[in-house]
Amino acid sequence: SQTIHQWPATLVQPVGSPLSLECTVEGTSNPNLYWYRQAAGRGLQLLFYSVGIGQISSEVPQNLSASRPQDRQFILSSKKLLLSDSGFYLCAWGTSGRGTYNEQFFGPGTRLTVL
Amino acid sequence: SQQGEEDPQALSIQEGENATMNCSYKTSINNLQWYRQNSGRGLVHLILIRSNEREKHSGRLRVTLDTSKKSSSLLITASRAADTASYFCATAKNSGGYQKVTFGTGTKLQVIP
Repeated sequence: SQTIHQWPATLVQPVGSPLSLECTVEGTSNPNLYWYRQAAGRGLQLLFYSVGIGQISSEVPQNLSASRPQDRQFILSSKKLLLSDSGFYLCAWGTSGRGTYNEQFFGPGTRLTVL
Repeated sequence: SQQGEEDPQALSIQEGENATMNCSYKTSINNLQWYRQNSGRGLVHLILIRSNEREKHSGRLRVTLDTSKKSSSLLITASRAADTASYFCATAKNSGGYQKVTFGTGTKLQVIP
């Protein structure tokens, strides 16, 4: 069965510090991978998605970047965090391919607080 | 632009009552999905309805889709305290080899025992 892991679960970082959040998926190959951010009491905003190793698409301009060094590893990074980067970050995977009608499977999330 | 918009934003009902949440969207879709999120946790997929379907059932859940009105509803029958959570609709459209899913802002449901 497939599982998705995210770490750390919570993180408190000072403004201007770097960030690295990791997401890994087990039990599937060539998944589509996604990073979302959820502000308090709000919906999800898609930040990045990836359809393969080294292929990253950004949905919104921001202070963050993403990388996919391996098929089932997705990393969210920042060189210098801003206060506005605080939020709940969710990684998700879905099956790839056109015309597929599949749900996304979410990790447990990382709560980031930038002080 | 924001695709899914749920209403109401918050809903409080007594255990045993039915809960209805609505979702409206703006552009054409391939399918619409409903997710549940317990406080501080990840999202869990509940049900998916394709654009050529009008109604779908899963246990106590009933989802309808009206593509002419660009709207969907999620009905939870005989609610339980454990149904307390936020519910999100998400519209999906295939785009360049992946399924672009856009989430709404959610309905916060409280079921009072």
